[in-house]
Amino acid sequence: QLQLQESGPGLVKPSETLSLTCSVSGGSITGGSYYWVWVRQPPGKGLEWIGSIYYSGGSYYNPSLKSRVTISVDMSKNQFSLKLSSVTAADTAVYYCARGLGIRGHLDYWGQGTLVPVSS
Amino acid sequence: QSVLTQPPSVSGAPGQRVTISCTGSSSNIGADYDVHWYQQLPGTAPKLLIYGNNNRPSGVPDRFSGSKSGTSASLAITGLQAEDEADYCCQSYDSSLRVVFGGGTKLTVL
Repeated sequence: QLQLQESGPGLVKPSETLSLTCSVSGGSITGGSYYWVWVRQPPGKGLEWIGSIYYSGGSYYNPSLKSRVTISVDMSKNQFSLKLSSVTAADTAVYYCARGLGIRGHLDYWGQGTLVPVSS
Repeated sequence: QSVLTQPPSVSGAPGQRVTISCTGSSSNIGADYDVHWYQQLPGTAPKLLIYGNNNRPSGVPDRFSGSKSGTSASLAITGLQAEDEADYCCQSYDSSLRVVFGGGTKLTVL
């Protein structure tokens, strides 16, 4: 059974960079036609796609966040990571990592999510 | 504002049938991109409920079904149960090269 687990600092200050890692277990990050995805959900609001990456490096980002987002893969650790720069209070959200079937497909496995407040 | 539009809330009595709509445009649902649905219980991660418009993953009861027509899609739940009370969200893809979600619908079982 595939499992995903987010990890990272529990609090980020305004103007700093938010960094999260998603550890994948129970399967290889290089297997199949899967994309590895970051999604966030501000408190009380809906889901927002941040970006997706294929293990070989092809990546796609939400145009509204593209200038601040970097998603990368570490095949040796079976992990992928998110960096979001110049954060503000508007970036406070629960951040989820997930597996997607292709860039357009459904997200079949999700991490439990991690709340990242942005506050001084 | 979400790219896909859902009603903020729906409700129904146990045993009844409810539907949740997801309205898009010619650049996403209307462009023949698939629609997927997720169920999110309070404080938990979303769970895949319907994929590819009308397919259920293993373990999802057949009380849940999906459909798509034109620029819209719908999720139907029959034989409503108390455990169905949750948020439901649709997802598709947009020609602007991005994954798009609906704003979510809160289902209340009366």
